[in-house]
Amino acid sequence: DQQVKQNSPSLSVQEGRISILNCDYTNSMFDYFLWYKKYPAEGPTFLISISSIKDKNEDGRFTVFLNKSAKHLSLHIVPSQPGDSAVYFCAASAQRTGNQFYFGTGTSLTVIP
Amino acid sequence: EAGVAQSPRYKIIEKRQSVAFWCNPISGHATLYWYQQILGQGPKLLIQFQNNGVVDDSQLPKDRFSAERLKGVDSTLKIQPAKLEDSAVYLCASSLSRGNTGELFFGEGSRLTVL
Repeated sequence: DQQVKQNSPSLSVQEGRISILNCDYTNSMFDYFLWYKKYPAEGPTFLISISSIKDKNEDGRFTVFLNKSAKHLSLHIVPSQPGDSAVYFCAASAQRTGNQFYFGTGTSLTVIP
Repeated sequence: EAGVAQSPRYKIIEKRQSVAFWCNPISGHATLYWYQQILGQGPKLLIQFQNNGVVDDSQLPKDRFSAERLKGVDSTLKIQPAKLEDSAVYLCASSLSRGNTGELFFGEGSRLTVL
């Protein structure tokens, strides 16, 4: 049972434009969300997080938006750069119950120079 | 600060053979995780340690997988006997806190191919 879903396996964006990566979840107990970035042959690296008490968190070119009613979060990258080309995973956990992180299947982003 | 170290990076074995993976987490990180990532899927938690105790091993196939964390530092994950469907990347991660808050720091992974 996939509790975290990333329905777009791949995304191509022109350099300088906005990249929007989407993630949906089914478990209403999830209250903490993270995005990870993964280059080939490397482990995932942490990008940005958001707690359910917020609906937006920004870090430089990266912004994560959380819509709790829709059980949806999105990662915006502006402006997109070729070095952003990687696989992006969203992950969710229920902090109050100390549960594990559940990961989505990933979206492969290609930024075209 | 040194990252999470894993070895070997790559391993090819035949089905029914055994294999072991090693992980050294970031110094001071109390929580250690082993994830399995099958091609085209997201990482799936196999086991979570807090110091040298098991917090969650509900998704570990215990008939063939075992893991231990000696002295609350290094950890080994063993598969015996391996099946074809065990072909995956095995990711080790560590974190400072136990409550699944804060980020996980991942190693580069150990890629297993079972023939």
